[in-house]
Amino acid sequence: DIQMTQSPSSLSASVGDTVTITCRASQSISNHLNWYQKKPGKAPKVLIYAASSLQSGVPSRFSGSGSGTDFTLIISSLQPEDFATYYCLQTYGSLTWTFGQGTKVEIK
Amino acid sequence: EVQLVESGGDLVQPGGSLRLSCAASGFTFGSDWMTWVRQAPGKGLEWVANIKQDGSEKYYADSVKGRFTISRDNAKNSLYLQMNSLRAEDTAVYYCARDLWSSSSPPYLDYWGQGTLVTVSS
Repeated sequence: DIQMTQSPSSLSASVGDTVTITCRASQSISNHLNWYQKKPGKAPKVLIYAASSLQSGVPSRFSGSGSGTDFTLIISSLQPEDFATYYCLQTYGSLTWTFGQGTKVEIK
Repeated sequence: EVQLVESGGDLVQPGGSLRLSCAASGFTFGSDWMTWVRQAPGKGLEWVANIKQDGSEKYYADSVKGRFTISRDNAKNSLYLQMNSLRAEDTAVYYCARDLWSSSSPPYLDYWGQGTLVTVSS
């Protein structure tokens, strides 16, 4: 099975900061990588699909990049509503999908 | 408007069984793969299982293989998760989600329900 290593597990940032979160796959997954935002008591929300495509309705301050094994989510100019936990999800190959461990973005 | 509404969550004893349901509306349910994802208290998201449009293919996480069964009834626009031999570590909020597949991009989970809580405890 493909393992996803996400880092950091948590970070503190201020409104207006730029935040970078990374996910590394245990084998190449091409661009089969998606990013989700999760807030307590709410359903996960897709931000980025296919590694770099912005989901409709998601603000352009969210961006994704990468291919193969290394992927990045960047949040530019962090807003108060962006404080949440972020997860990557790989959807490659054998159809047993895996999430990263999550990154909690907290207010500094 | 796409809606997914889970139900069936409850308190159950270890070793017990429970069946979760997910009622879908706002899209052609029989045309899409569907997935179950869970989140244990204080833990991350965990992919649980998914099922092809006609139910002919099903895939499971190792942690639930042999104990959980995913199924669907396209006539009723409903997805199910039969959970047997439940353990304390199965305690979680369970979400159903639609898998969006297209010829131009890899699959991803685009719509999610609000979740249903399963608690396994004596």
